[in-house]
Amino acid sequence: DAGVIQSPRHEVTEMGQEVTLRCKPISGHNSLFWYRQTMMRGLELLIYFNNNVPIDDSGMPEDRFSAKMPNASFSTLKIQPSEPRDSAVYFCASSLNSNSPLHFGNGTRLTVT
Amino acid sequence: GQQLNQSPQSMFIQEGEDVSMNCTSSSIFNTWLWYKQDPGEGPVLLIALYKAGELTSNGRLTAQFGITRKDSFLNISASIPSDVGIYFCAGQSSNYQLIWGAGTKLIIKP
Repeated sequence: DAGVIQSPRHEVTEMGQEVTLRCKPISGHNSLFWYRQTMMRGLELLIYFNNNVPIDDSGMPEDRFSAKMPNASFSTLKIQPSEPRDSAVYFCASSLNSNSPLHFGNGTRLTVT
Repeated sequence: GQQLNQSPQSMFIQEGEDVSMNCTSSSIFNTWLWYKQDPGEGPVLLIALYKAGELTSNGRLTAQFGITRKDSFLNISASIPSDVGIYFCAGQSSNYQLIWGAGTKLIIKP
């Protein structure tokens, strides 16, 4: 099992640019989560998908953030336009179902200058 | 809202020592999870607890789900250098939402 796969591992971009983060969940898992981790705020849930449908996006900071899950094996998190305060590590996690433990990817470290 | 208090915030230990950390909450949880995060990686699940009073081991790690369902502890016996990292607890109620502790950073004294 390859685990949750995220790309890219690192992203450095300039303020105002569009950023797209990618995630491949574990095969057979029906729940997918996007988290953001910072020193100040710890792990924050951004959005939760179940069976490819967004269930809870209340954690998405603002309209600049959007997420999609076009099929069971792929999800994207997009920030447009990016701002320096978006700098953080973004994690994707998947679970067998909504009540099962989460399995995390290795994250994308985003730096917006 | 729900909050978890995880302590200690950090620990400096000698190799070979036992380690103990815990999480408490004012809310009841149905599941307690313990994760470890190494630098540059995502959190990795160590132990999952599903029943009040449950005591579960994973190698040198032992975790317990408190009988009141409001707390959990994690013990590491005979620590080794690769135990260094940040340990997180997380509590789950009835849905997908996890409430995370702030983490315990484990550091081995040279």
